Amino acid sequence: NAGVMQNPRHLVRRRGQEARLRCSPMKGHSHVYWYRQLPEEGLKFMVYLQKENIIDESGMPKERFSAEFPKEGPSILRIQQVVRGDSAAYFCASSPSDRSFYGYTFGSGTRLTVV
Amino acid sequence: TQLLEQSPQFLSIQEGENLTVYCNSSSVFSSLQWYRQEPGEGPVLLVTVVTGGEVKKLKRLTFQFGDARKDSSLHITAAQPGDTGLYLCAAEVGGTSYGKLTFGQGTILTVHP
Repeated sequence: NAGVMQNPRHLVRRRGQEARLRCSPMKGHSHVYWYRQLPEEGLKFMVYLQKENIIDESGMPKERFSAEFPKEGPSILRIQQVVRGDSAAYFCASSPSDRSFYGYTFGSGTRLTVV
Repeated sequence: TQLLEQSPQFLSIQEGENLTVYCNSSSVFSSLQWYRQEPGEGPVLLVTVVTGGEVKKLKRLTFQFGDARKDSSLHITAAQPGDTGLYLCAAEVGGTSYGKLTFGQGTILTVHP
């Protein structure tokens, strides 16, 4: 009974490259959320997706960032033309419903370092 | 300004001591969650509180949700080194903000043997 799987665990990119972060939700969970954790800012919501739909992307930067959750396969968080300020831990969470009292299960995260 | 204010930010205690972590806000929440995060890992859900005045116990951890659903506390009895970690409270603001958790800044707890 695997939990939320994120890969890669660590990702190093040079400035200007693209970063692709993958998240496979728990079995039976159809709701996926992405959060970013910066050392000085804590965990911040980025985007909430269901299969083939973006429900809430109010926390996503307007440029360079995009997310998808296709009918088949993992959810992908894509960062184009990365800059040093994108260095952070990116966490994915999933839930069986959109109601929080069922709880969210987080993955172990992808630590992105931009050099 | 943080929507959820946690205090203290840092807590360093000896094994066997008791401690309380607070999570306060001026907003009303439909539910509130507490997570524990260890270095290099994602947050792990400890508890969800839903009803004002609710008290939940998880072994040596006691969670309380304020009557007005604006604040919460986490009390640990007889802390152990294994309790060391980052404790986070989180909540949905309510209304149609489903799936969008707001986190407090966290309390870094260190329990010395």
